[in-house]
Amino acid sequence: GQQVMQIPQYQHVQEGEDFTTYCNSSTTLSNIQWYKQRPGGHPVFLIQLVKSGEVKKQKRLTFQFGEAKKNSSLHITATQTTDVGTYFCAAYSGAGSYQLTFGKGTKLSVIP
Amino acid sequence: ETGVTQTPRHLVMGMTNKKSLKCEQHLGHNAMYWYKQSAKKPLELMFVYNFKEQTENNSVPSRFSPECPNSSHLFLHLHTLQPEDSALYLCASSHSPSAHYEQYFGPGTRLTVT
Repeated sequence: GQQVMQIPQYQHVQEGEDFTTYCNSSTTLSNIQWYKQRPGGHPVFLIQLVKSGEVKKQKRLTFQFGEAKKNSSLHITATQTTDVGTYFCAAYSGAGSYQLTFGKGTKLSVIP
Repeated sequence: ETGVTQTPRHLVMGMTNKKSLKCEQHLGHNAMYWYKQSAKKPLELMFVYNFKEQTENNSVPSRFSPECPNSSHLFLHLHTLQPEDSALYLCASSHSPSAHYEQYFGPGTRLTVT
């Protein structure tokens, strides 16, 4: 089945620094979703990207979908302690499958 | 968020016990899912239901038995579990099991098998 590789696995940043996590696939993705899971919490949907080269912003968060639709990134500008958590990308396995495949996630720690 | 609720939130059970996890969604969605999340593995999809019909079973051991009586309720019946089954079990729902709909997760049940 399709896999999405996410890097880095862990990231420690000083508050105010920027943060980026990357999601890569060996196959073309129909779309990609991003979720955030706070410590002790559950995954919460952030955004979905569908179009090649698409860029979407949510306040300090910028999401990009690669031109070839094989990679995506999430960039956080000027991190805050509220950004702490694990960020997952997820993509569907392909036509006829209902399986949403999640990356292993990037765990972000923010040092105040 | 109270769109998807799960009970119990914590469960400790012995290997010979039988227990059930319950999930309820109040979002009017047609698809419901069970996921397993353990410390060293990514989110693993276990079962998918669409309009109460099971559409996917990801080679889950028979000691896990799902039940979906209607599109709002989902159960996971547990019996003869192993210690390696200890994990966070998450329920999710979506408008339909299509690539274009996001999933809404419940708070999860933290299961410990002793």
